[in-house]
Amino acid sequence: SQELEQSPQSLIVQEGKNLTINCTSSKTLYGLYWYKQKYGEGLIFLMMLQKGGEEKSHEKITAKLDEKKQQSSLHITASQPSHAGIYLCGADNSGAGSYQLTFGKGTKLSVIP
Amino acid sequence: NAGVTQTPKFQVLKTGQSMTLQCAQDMNHNSMYWYRQDPGMGLRLIYYSASEGTTDKGEVPNGYNVSRLNKREFSLRLESAAPSQTSVYFCASTQGRGTQYFGPGTRLLVL
Repeated sequence: SQELEQSPQSLIVQEGKNLTINCTSSKTLYGLYWYKQKYGEGLIFLMMLQKGGEEKSHEKITAKLDEKKQQSSLHITASQPSHAGIYLCGADNSGAGSYQLTFGKGTKLSVIP
Repeated sequence: NAGVTQTPKFQVLKTGQSMTLQCAQDMNHNSMYWYRQDPGMGLRLIYYSASEGTTDKGEVPNGYNVSRLNKREFSLRLESAAPSQTSVYFCASTQGRGTQYFGPGTRLLVL
């Protein structure tokens, strides 16, 4: 199975600052999913990347998958308190006849007003 | 659409008791999954069902059983709960190799 490392484990930023969260895989990523989780709640899907070099944006959040398809970054511009939560990356764990995701351990983001 | 729903939201059990966690989705998805989330461990796959009538073990299946009751419903059973099964349990569903959509979770405390 794939190993997924997220960094940093936690992050505290001042409101208005930019930040980046990284997700690195030990193997090629066939699909990379970013989710956000608020404390005590389920995971909310943010974005999915499949192609090397692909970049997607939604509001102030941009996700990229590098050309070699082994690392993804999530960038938040001008952070707001509403961005606080735990961000998880999930990797397509391709296998014959199966479809599973392997998840990183998450990055806890706190945004100070 | 409600998406993925889970019941109960919270449960306290004594060691050795049994219980079933229920999950249902209204998105007509073929595949359904059960994960557990523990501090410092992230999300780990317990069991999954690629399609109605099939189930397979994930990374941490010991102590659990599942039933894919129909296309909509996928239940997780703890036959004899142990403190190590204290966790937050999430159900998810997907269509083919698409995005997995998650339920709100069940918080389980085993004393």
